[in-house]
Amino acid sequence: LAKTTQPISMDSYEGQEVNITCSHNNIATNDYITWYQQFPSQGPRFIIQGYKTKVTNEVASLFIPADRKSSTLSLPRVSLSDTAVYYCLVGDWKAAGNKLTFGGGTRVLVKP
Amino acid sequence: GAVVSQHPSRVICKSGTSVKIECRSLDFQATTMFWYRQFPKQSLMLMATSNEGSKATYEQGVEKDKFLINHASLTLSTLTVTSAHPEDSSFYICSARDLRQMNTEAFFGQGTRLTVV
Repeated sequence: LAKTTQPISMDSYEGQEVNITCSHNNIATNDYITWYQQFPSQGPRFIIQGYKTKVTNEVASLFIPADRKSSTLSLPRVSLSDTAVYYCLVGDWKAAGNKLTFGGGTRVLVKP
Repeated sequence: GAVVSQHPSRVICKSGTSVKIECRSLDFQATTMFWYRQFPKQSLMLMATSNEGSKATYEQGVEKDKFLINHASLTLSTLTVTSAHPEDSSFYICSARDLRQMNTEAFFGQGTRLTVV
């Protein structure tokens, strides 16, 4: 599983856009990039997954450059309820033996 | 999205006793389940991976005789913490996937807060 590196923490204010970049220099050809959100005392919640270029859903966008060695999760117009830890995972999810291994995550604090 | 249910959400037990945590996939069949533990302010640490009908694969440093994992059906996996001690107090989280489906997302339970006194 490709190792990931994320900033430890980020502060933002309500209404701003938050961008979290994850480095994964050793990403393999079959690896996907997946982001999860975790609130205190809860299990992680799936946000978005992508393989290349750009993916957008109702809550976030994921930007992946051509070399796929990094990715950026973009949260538009954050609110206080977006305060959470965000994890970037990289792996070949289709592989039977693949394990979901979490890195350190980024603690995002949204201030009023 | 799919639902994974963990039970109990919170448990307090006495040192030396055993505790069983259940993880159920409610609307899909989980060919693979993962068990994690998480200490305060830390990331999730993978403990073991279990495939339905076979023995669990434990991560290095995780005692398989202490953390018993059973994945007897496609919708249920259990983690039993045997002879629990205060240092086993942690947040335990399960995750489930159906590797037969094209959807590659993993779904997580809500977690179980174990306190050993």
